[in-house]
Amino acid sequence: QSALTQPPSASGSPGQSVTISCTGTSSDVGDYDSVSWYRQLPGKAPKLLIYEVTERPSGVPDRFSGSKSGNTASLTVSGLQAEDEAAYHCSSYAGSNTWVFGGGTKLTVL
Amino acid sequence: QVQLVQSGAEVKKPGASVKVSCKASGYTFTAYSLHWVRQAPGQRLEWMGRINPDSGYTKYARRFQGRVTMTRDTSINTGYMDLTRLTSDDTVIYFCAREKPGATHAFDIWGQGTMVTVSS
Repeated sequence: QSALTQPPSASGSPGQSVTISCTGTSSDVGDYDSVSWYRQLPGKAPKLLIYEVTERPSGVPDRFSGSKSGNTASLTVSGLQAEDEAAYHCSSYAGSNTWVFGGGTKLTVL
Repeated sequence: QVQLVQSGAEVKKPGASVKVSCKASGYTFTAYSLHWVRQAPGQRLEWMGRINPDSGYTKYARRFQGRVTMTRDTSINTGYMDLTRLTSDDTVIYFCAREKPGATHAFDIWGQGTMVTVSS
């Protein structure tokens, strides 16, 4: 159950788009359409942004979108806003009732 | 509203055990799995395991097997995570999280987190 691989940091200017990758294996990301993404502000609990690769819970702006190709999932944040500065974590179901998270990506809005 | 409220911060000595609670409200506690996730401050999230509050079925991450026990008390809508043989590596924040309905394999409701400090 190795962690999924995310870049430690990402950045973009207000209004731009930024994409964060999440690479796993054929036993987790590649095998299940069960990738989810979370945003976490300092000192707070994570908040669900995307589930089942592309689905957004109610209340999450459509500026946030997800995709997957092979063993790599991606989160795209469009129209960057200052409030998007946070840590972003991916997660995948890994079979046999187990889950795995990524290392987290700190997004900076320049 | 739907929420999970966790017990307060703990300070433990190496070798001791800690039990963190997670009280659910605003939804049917037995209908959705409860997971436990931990995080060293500023570090990655780490899945520890899950419990089905209805059946009591548990599944633990391999690295915690033998050291973690997840239980629940359905009469008070509360889940528990018990971690034994604590070391300094267990000085992290522990979160409980509800699995989103519909077999989504996602976590839609999170507790506020419980900081556990292991120090002699």
